[in-house]
Amino acid sequence: GQSLEQPSEVTAVEGAIVQINCTYQTSGFYGLSWYQQHDGGAPTFLSYNALDGLEETGRFSSFLSRSDSYGYLLLQELQMKDSASYFCAVSGGNKLVFGAGTILRVKS
Amino acid sequence: DTGVSQDPRHKITKRGQNVTFRCDPISEHNRLYWYRQTLGQGPEFLTYFQNEAQLEKSRLLSDRFSAERPKGSFSTLEIQRTEQGDSAMYLCASSFETGTLYEQYFGPGTRLTVT
Repeated sequence: GQSLEQPSEVTAVEGAIVQINCTYQTSGFYGLSWYQQHDGGAPTFLSYNALDGLEETGRFSSFLSRSDSYGYLLLQELQMKDSASYFCAVSGGNKLVFGAGTILRVKS
Repeated sequence: DTGVSQDPRHKITKRGQNVTFRCDPISEHNRLYWYRQTLGQGPEFLTYFQNEAQLEKSRLLSDRFSAERPKGSFSTLEIQRTEQGDSAMYLCASSFETGTLYEQYFGPGTRLTVT
């Protein structure tokens, strides 16, 4: 089976940098995805890492270390609109298996 | 709007009643997924269609749940004899057949409340 662990909540100030960690256990690994979900909204895809290293997309970056079964999402120049839940996810056959999510609270 | 749409957005029903939800995926997408999400948790997989074929169903899904995608376009999820434990957000997602499994496009969800 698959399981993922991420912190339940992170708080940071506007303009700062925040890192959300994710550790996973899975029988077959094909990559790690990150999704953002605002309160009452739909999850939206942010990034995907299949190989080790850092992937950058604007203010957001995602990192993967397959040997450590670990990844993180890095958010730079935090804005109030980044306040949301962030989920890491791995493949489980034909489906995604999501972590419980990290609530990011951005304070002014 | 060419995104994934779901109907209704909210449903309140009494325990024991049947409910049906509809999902319209992005038109070019062959793959369609249903997930359930409860407060403070990530989406939990329910079932997966490729075109009209239901290829995977969660072992957690009881016989009261059934899903269809009759012409490989829209899909319906029916819950029979609803229970209070069925109260959750039901999310539909779709993706390209040749695209990565990891990039799924989610609809706004149907929030079910069973009283």
